Amino acid sequence: NAGVTQTPKFRILKIGQSMTLQCAQDMNHNYMYWYRQDPGMGLKLIYYSVGAGITDKGEVPNGYNVSRSTTEDFPLRLELAAPSQTSVYFCASSYPGTMNTEAFFGQGTRLTVV
Amino acid sequence: AQSVTQLDSQVPVFEEAPVELRCNYSSSVSVYLFWYVQYPNQGLQLLLKYLSGSTLVKGINGFEAEFNKSQTSFHLRKPSVHISDTAEYFCAVSDGRTALIFGKGTTLSVSS
Repeated sequence: NAGVTQTPKFRILKIGQSMTLQCAQDMNHNYMYWYRQDPGMGLKLIYYSVGAGITDKGEVPNGYNVSRSTTEDFPLRLELAAPSQTSVYFCASSYPGTMNTEAFFGQGTRLTVV
Repeated sequence: AQSVTQLDSQVPVFEEAPVELRCNYSSSVSVYLFWYVQYPNQGLQLLLKYLSGSTLVKGINGFEAEFNKSQTSFHLRKPSVHISDTAEYFCAVSDGRTALIFGKGTTLSVSS
């Protein structure tokens, strides 16, 4: 099993550009999440999804959009990149309510907006 | 809503010394508790989890944690650390139905 796969690993964007961070999982998890990690701040939840076609905002959703058309994929869209979106982004998935309720994480995408 | 407070942002220790990383949580409902480790430039890896049952939980790499409901704590311990344990450690809480809520992390630095 590959687990949670994120692409790209690194990206530099100019202010105002857009991009999509890709996330795919092969564990048939129904829950998927996007977090951003900033130094000294831990991980902040951006958006999450409890199943295909269902998404909801987390703590810091402004400037981002998501979609969930399949169980496997959960892309994160930045429409107008801003320097404040410079961060490391982690995608995760889980199967809550079971003994496997912990989240499994991808390797992260390091994004720099200049 | 849940929240997590990691009481130490940095913990420096010498190799083979014991270590404790402190985590307190708040929640109005029963919770699941987790410790994750992040090595430099990598994703997060689960160290251990408390779902129910025994309050002493053993994880990978010789780490263990104790769930204390009255103190609302879930401190992580290791009796003897190695240089390779140098990493950032995150405590997280969930009610089992929603996303994990993370603390701000504790950087463990092990030196010889």
